[in-house]
Amino acid sequence: KAGVTQTPRYLIKTRGQQVTLSCSPISGHRSVSWYQQTPGQGLQFLFEYFSETQRNKGNFPGRFSGRQFSNSRSEMNVSTLELGDSALYLCASSSLGGETDTQYFGPGTRLTVL
Amino acid sequence: KQEVTQIPAALSVPEGENLVLNCSFTDSAIYNLQWFRQDPGKGLTSLLLIQSSQREQTSGRLNASLDKSSGRSTLYIAASQPGDSATYLCALSSNYKLTFGKGTLLTVNP
Repeated sequence: KAGVTQTPRYLIKTRGQQVTLSCSPISGHRSVSWYQQTPGQGLQFLFEYFSETQRNKGNFPGRFSGRQFSNSRSEMNVSTLELGDSALYLCASSSLGGETDTQYFGPGTRLTVL
Repeated sequence: KQEVTQIPAALSVPEGENLVLNCSFTDSAIYNLQWFRQDPGKGLTSLLLIQSSQREQTSGRLNASLDKSSGRSTLYIAASQPGDSATYLCALSSNYKLTFGKGTLLTVNP
């Protein structure tokens, strides 16, 4: 079974631009989550989707948004990029997102904002 | 608000040593606890998952325990190897999200 895939792997943008990151979960998984990882803050939860519905959202500004498609693939969008948005963005998938479910992470997208 | 602390922040040991990594948390209302490893610049690899009703899980040289009453988990690594060098993260699951500690950077010296 293929793992979680994320595209692109690396991105360089300038302040004020917007960016869209993509995540394809493991086949059969319906829960997709997004996390931001920075050296200072560590791993922080962005949002979680299940069957195209957002079930939880982290404490990030409205510039961060996401969506999930009917095939469980997910995208996240960051508008009006700031220097502080430079980070590794990780996507994780699981069967249902429940108590017994292991979260499987993708390799991440490294975003650099100049 | 769940807070997760991992001690020590960094650990350096000689090859073959047994070691324990610690994780403490403030809110025991969790679905499960997971231990991950992360190699530099890479994603996370799941090592063990302990459901909230369980006390421990084992996989090969790894054993993880969970004590919800005291808000603690430990990851025991037996007979450490240089390939075990990585950052180890614990994460508490509740309400469809993971809350992570800052991790322990483990270096196993040949």
